[in-house]
Amino acid sequence: DVKVTQSSRYLVKRTGEKVFLECVQDMDHENMFWYRQDPGLGLRLIYFSYDVKMKEKGDIPEGYSVSREKKERFSLILESASTNQTSMYLCASSLGTVAGANVLTFGAGSRLTVL
Amino acid sequence: AQSVTQLDSHVSVSEGTPVLLRCNYSSSYSPSLFWYVQHPNKGLQLLLKYTSAATLVKGINGFEAEFKKSETSFHLTKPSAHMSDAAEYFCVVSDWTGNMLTFGGGTRLMVKP
Repeated sequence: DVKVTQSSRYLVKRTGEKVFLECVQDMDHENMFWYRQDPGLGLRLIYFSYDVKMKEKGDIPEGYSVSREKKERFSLILESASTNQTSMYLCASSLGTVAGANVLTFGAGSRLTVL
Repeated sequence: AQSVTQLDSHVSVSEGTPVLLRCNYSSSYSPSLFWYVQHPNKGLQLLLKYTSAATLVKGINGFEAEFKKSETSFHLTKPSAHMSDAAEYFCVVSDWTGNMLTFGGGTRLMVKP
C-alpha cells in the first residue's frame, strides 16, 4: 500500500513564525498535493506538484509556498503564519499517469494552530 | 471549471436503515467522480470512483453510487447502515486531466443505535 507520511500531527505556532509542514510518500507517485480542510468548506487545494521542482497554484495559494526537491518529498511553507491559517493540512499523492481517474492517497493530516 | 455541492451537511440515520448522501456536480466535460470517507482522526480513504464506465458504481463496505448525467448527480447509498459507517463523506469531481480535484463541503453521517 502507498503510504503518505506527514511529519507532524499537531503543531502550535505564534503569529509571524515560519512554519514547515513535511510530507513523504513511498510509492514513486508523480503528483503530490497540499490541501487544507476547514469545517463546512471541505478540502481546498493550496498547491500541487506533478514533478520534481515543478509546482502549480491551487485554489488558495496566498500565504503559502511549496518545495519539491525530491520526488518523494513535498513541503508546505508558511512564511509568516497568521491566525487565519489555523487549520488541518492534508498531503496527498497520486500516480498521475491516467487522465480522469487519479485516486488520491492521503496522509493523516497536520493540525496547525496559530496563536 | 467544475464544482460540487453536497446537499446535506449532516445526515442522521438509525442502524439498519438505508443511507442516502446527496451530491450534485457541475462540469463542462465528462467528469470523473469520487466519494471519499474520513473516519474520526483518520486520513481520507477512497470509497468508490466513476470513470465513464458503468453508471452504477460499487465501492467498499457495501456503498454504491449512481451517476445520473441528466440530473448531474452522484448520490451515495447503502441499504443498511452500520455503526462503523459514522464518518464524514466527501463527493469529489476531477478535471479533464485527472489531476485537479474539487471537493464538496462534506456530509457528516451519524448512525444511531
